[in-house]
Amino acid sequence: NAGVTQTPKFQVLKTGQSMTLQCAQDMNHNSMYWYRQDPGMGLRLIYYSASEGTTDKGEVPNGYNVSRLNKREFSLRLESAAPSQTSVYFCASSGRRQGVPTGELFFGEGSRLTVL
Amino acid sequence: AQKVTQAQTEISVVEKEDVTLDCVYETRDTTYYLFWYKQPPSGELVFLIRRNSFDEQNEISGRYSWNFQKSTSSFNFTITASQVVDSAVYFCALSEPTMDTGRRALTFGSGTRLQVQP
Repeated sequence: NAGVTQTPKFQVLKTGQSMTLQCAQDMNHNSMYWYRQDPGMGLRLIYYSASEGTTDKGEVPNGYNVSRLNKREFSLRLESAAPSQTSVYFCASSGRRQGVPTGELFFGEGSRLTVL
Repeated sequence: AQKVTQAQTEISVVEKEDVTLDCVYETRDTTYYLFWYKQPPSGELVFLIRRNSFDEQNEISGRYSWNFQKSTSSFNFTITASQVVDSAVYFCALSEPTMDTGRRALTFGSGTRLQVQP
């Protein structure tokens, strides 16, 4: 009963390095999301994927790329990390009720990223 | 565009006090969902409640209750007889379709940190 699993849980990068955050869900959800959480700003949507093969920008997409590898997996890539990307990243997924997306999110445990 | 405002940045109460967390939202859509999530010090996000825009009936779950008022675009959360374990950051969130595809994305407020002192 894993739900949403994201890795790694902690990562320290130097400015300019690249890395990929991995996320997988086992609830057969169509929609997946990446959020970042910064102090005093709540959670802000980076990218989301409504279904396999589709991705869309959220509120703060600059500096990130995503891949919806299959229905289960949705990865977030930082090509050239910057200190402004120091944050806690949450992956989430959501399903449907009677065929309609509900928007109710199931979250992973978060990944704390520090960019020096 | 949708917006969620949680004006209370931090609230501190003494155990057994009642506390209300405010949430005001803005949306152009007539069909939407409202949520509350809890983030305890351990960091995970815990779903508390979802309400749809057509159901304004207040809901009570144990010590938790929610007051949804469409006329004032508010969805307030009350904890009765607060306990130390209630200490957490609480997020209000709004889900509405995106403009073009009908897909739903969740917009969060900035959160209210609740500290319950023993």
